[in-house]
Amino acid sequence: EVQLVESGGGLVQPGGSLRLSCAASGFTVSVNYMTWVRQAPGKGLEWVSVIYTSGSTYYADSVKGRFTLSRDDSKNTLYLQMNSLRAEDTAIYYCARRYNTNWGIQLWGQGTLVTVSS
Amino acid sequence: QSALTQPPSASGSPGQSVTISCTGSRSDVGGYNYVSWYQQHAGKAPKLMIYEVSKRPSGVPDRFSGSKSGNTASLTVSGLQPEDEADYYCSSYAGNNNLVFGGGTKLTVL
Repeated sequence: EVQLVESGGGLVQPGGSLRLSCAASGFTVSVNYMTWVRQAPGKGLEWVSVIYTSGSTYYADSVKGRFTLSRDDSKNTLYLQMNSLRAEDTAIYYCARRYNTNWGIQLWGQGTLVTVSS
Repeated sequence: QSALTQPPSASGSPGQSVTISCTGSRSDVGGYNYVSWYQQHAGKAPKLMIYEVSKRPSGVPDRFSGSKSGNTASLTVSGLQPEDEADYYCSSYAGNNNLVFGGGTKLTVL
C-alpha cells in the first residue's frame, strides 16, 4: 500500500528541538519530490519545506535557518529536524508527496502534532 | 510570502453549484499555472482535488472543476452533495521554490 507515516511529534519547550520522521511505503522517496506542510490548530495550511530528487532542499521563510529536511534512502524515510522551536511552530505536521512536474500534493500522511509550550 | 485570499465561508443546497475564489498576485496565481485545490474534512489530512488550475486527479468526481483568470483562481463544485461539506484550500507556486496556500474556505451544504 502506498502511504506515508509520520512520527516524532510531541510536547517541547520553546527553544527546544524535535526531529520528525516520515516513513514511506509502496514507493521510493528518492525518486519523488517530497514536502512538509503544517497546520496550526484551527488554522489553515502552511507550506514548510521541499526536497527534490537531487537532494536540494528549500524552506519557507518562517522556518529557514531553524528547520532542516533530509532523507535516508536506505530507510526510505524523510526527516525534519526542527531547532529553536517557537510557540508559533505548534501545528500538525504533514509529510507529503507532490507531483514531480507541478506543485500538486497528491499523497499525504496522517500528520503528527508538535506542541511548543512551557 | 503572503497567503492567498479566500472567502472564509461558502454554502449551497444539495444539487446546486458553488464557486470558491482564490486571489493572489502576479507573483503567484497570475504568474504560474500551478494552482491546486484541496479538500479537508474535519480531523483528516487534505486531499488533492485539482492541480495545474483545472486538472483532476484520478478518482475525483467531475463535479469539481477549476479555472483561472488573471490573479484569481476558482473552484466550482456542481451538483453539491452532503459529503462535499469540508474546508477547501487553494495553493499556488510562488516562484523561488516556494508554495503559498490560501486561508481556507468552509463549505456548508445546507
